[in-house]
Amino acid sequence: AQTVTQSQPEMSVQEAETVTLSCTYDTSESDYYLFWYKQPPSRQMILVIRQEAYKQQNATENRFSVNFQKAAKSFSLKISDSQLGDAAMYFCGIIQGAQKLVFGQGTRLTINP
Amino acid sequence: SAVISQKPSRDICQRGTSLTIQCQVDSQVTMMFWYRQQPGQSLTLIATANQGSEATYESGFVIDKFPISRPNLTFSTLTVSNMSPEDSSIYLCSVGVGQTRTGELFFGEGSRLTVL
Repeated sequence: AQTVTQSQPEMSVQEAETVTLSCTYDTSESDYYLFWYKQPPSRQMILVIRQEAYKQQNATENRFSVNFQKAAKSFSLKISDSQLGDAAMYFCGIIQGAQKLVFGQGTRLTINP
Repeated sequence: SAVISQKPSRDICQRGTSLTIQCQVDSQVTMMFWYRQQPGQSLTLIATANQGSEATYESGFVIDKFPISRPNLTFSTLTVSNMSPEDSSIYLCSVGVGQTRTGELFFGEGSRLTVL
C-alpha cells in the first residue's frame, strides 16, 4: 500500500516570503506520479503541481516548485513570493493504480500580511 | 479540463435518514471517484465508479452504506444511508482526465453533510 505523510499540520509565512511544505511517501512501485493539491476555503481541490517519478528534473509552475528526492522518497513544495491567495490547505498525494489518488494529512498554510 | 457540479452543496440531515449526492460533469469521463473528508482531516477514497459496472469500494466502505450509481459517462450519485453523526463530512466527487494514470484529477466543490 502507498502512504503519504505530511509532518507539518500548520505553517505560516510572511507575504512575499518563501515557504517550504514537506511531504514523504512510501511506495513499492517504480513508476508513479506525485501531486500537490490546494484546498482553499471554497473546498474545491485544485492541482498545484505534478511530478513524474522517472523525471529527475524538479517540476516548476510559476511561483511553485518541488524538491523531489526519489531515493529519500521526499517531495517538498516551495512557494516563492507568497501571496494572500496562497492561504489554503495543501495536500500532497501519490497516484495509486489507475488514477486513484492517496493523500497526506494536509498542511494548513497561513499568509501573514 | 473538466467542470464538476455537485448537489447539494450542503445539507443538515436527521439521524437514520439517507441522502443522495449528485455529481454532474461537463464532459464524458471513464472514471469517477467519491471521496470523504471528515472535519479537519484529509481526503479518503470511498469508491471508484465506472460506467456500466459495479462500483469498486475501498477498505472500510461498503455498498449497503454508500450505494453508488453511474448511469452514464457524465453523471454519478452517492447515497449515504442510515446516517449517523459520524457521517458528518464533506463528500467530494472527482474525475480523471485522460485514459492513463498520468492524468490529473478534477474535483467538485463538495457536499457538506451535517447529521444531527
